[in-house]
Amino acid sequence: KAGVTQTPRYLIKTRGQQVTLSCSPISGHRSVSWYQQTPGQGLQFLFEYFSETQRNKGNFPGRFSGRQFSNSRSEMNVSTLELGDSALYLCASSLEGQRYEQYFGPGTRLTVT
Amino acid sequence: AQTVTQSQPEMSVQEAETVTLSCTYDTSESNYYLFWYKQPPSRQMILVIRQEAYKQQNATENRFSVNFQKAAKSFSLKISDSQLGDTAMYFCAFMKGTGANNLFFGTGTRLTVIP
Repeated sequence: KAGVTQTPRYLIKTRGQQVTLSCSPISGHRSVSWYQQTPGQGLQFLFEYFSETQRNKGNFPGRFSGRQFSNSRSEMNVSTLELGDSALYLCASSLEGQRYEQYFGPGTRLTVT
Repeated sequence: AQTVTQSQPEMSVQEAETVTLSCTYDTSESNYYLFWYKQPPSRQMILVIRQEAYKQQNATENRFSVNFQKAAKSFSLKISDSQLGDTAMYFCAFMKGTGANNLFFGTGTRLTVIP
């Protein structure tokens, strides 16, 4: 069974630009969560999608948004990038009813210059 | 609000020895899960072990075991017979028993296994 995949793995953007990251969950997993990992703030929850609906949202500004498609693949978008958005972005998927088993992808390393 | 605290930023252990990583948490929930995740240099977050709060028995997975003290809100990880491949960041995490799927993470402990 293929694991969670994230694309791209590495990304360099300029301040003010926008970026879209993609996450494909494990087959059959309909819940996808996104996390931001930075040296200063650690791992922070961004949002969770289930069946194409945002189910939960962390404490991030509106520049951070996401969506989920009918095949459960999810994208997150960051508009008007700031230097502080440089981070490792991780997504995790889980089966409904087994929310305690979250499988993480390898992450996308975003660098904002 | 839930908080998870890991007070040991870095630790080291000799290969084949035993090491214990500490974690404390704060919550008003009665039903929850606790986890230890491992993040090696490859950055892939890997679940090491899970403990359900309603279970009194401490979870064990091969060389990894936990000491879950619910009243003290303490959840430590013991790694026995440490191997070079155990070198990684270890994160303690909390999830509510029902409702939101999000994990609350501690700041991590960087473990180095010395040959």
